[in-house]
Amino acid sequence: AIWMTQSPSLLSASTGDRVTISCRMSQGISSYLAWYQQKPGKAPELLIYAASTLQSGVPSRFSGSGSGTDFTLTISCLQSEDFATYYCQQYYSFPRTFGQGTKVEIK
Amino acid sequence: EVQLVESGGGLVQPGGSLRLSCAASGFTVSSNYMSWVRQAPGKGLEWVSVIYSGGSTYYADSVKGRFTISRHNSKNTLYLQMNSLRAEDTAVYYCARDHVTYAFDIWGQGTMVTVSS
Repeated sequence: AIWMTQSPSLLSASTGDRVTISCRMSQGISSYLAWYQQKPGKAPELLIYAASTLQSGVPSRFSGSGSGTDFTLTISCLQSEDFATYYCQQYYSFPRTFGQGTKVEIK
Repeated sequence: EVQLVESGGGLVQPGGSLRLSCAASGFTVSSNYMSWVRQAPGKGLEWVSVIYSGGSTYYADSVKGRFTISRHNSKNTLYLQMNSLRAEDTAVYYCARDHVTYAFDIWGQGTMVTVSS
């Protein structure tokens, strides 16, 4: 299985901040990396696939980068609706694996 | 409208069984990879199982031999048969389309499974 290390686990930030979340793989996965946002009591929602492609309808303040083993999700200007938990996920191979999650909370 | 709707969750005793359903609309289940993903209370996401468009299946080690994924093509519905349930299987179970390009791009709303005596 491919192991993923997502950091930080908790991120305290203010509206308007630029925030970055990292995800590191135990082996290379090319660009088969997705990012999800999850709000309490709701299903995850796809933000980014193929490491850097924005899902339709996702605001442009979200961006993704990286390939191989190191990936990053950036929110350029945090909005109130962005306070949530974010997960990375590899779909290069089975078993599919997720990062441990990053909770973005209001500072 | 493209959507997935799960059902079948509930309270079950340890050692018991439960079958979850996931009804799809707006796309064809049998033409896609379809996965189950679960989330224990207060925890992260854990992939459980996949059924390929060709019908092959794959399971997480934690459920292998106890859970069975299947589909009914004419009903456009995905299933997860869960046997020998344990307390650690307690979670919200989501079905999701597992796209080769778009990852998990369509999710159901989730159904809660509680394993407790």
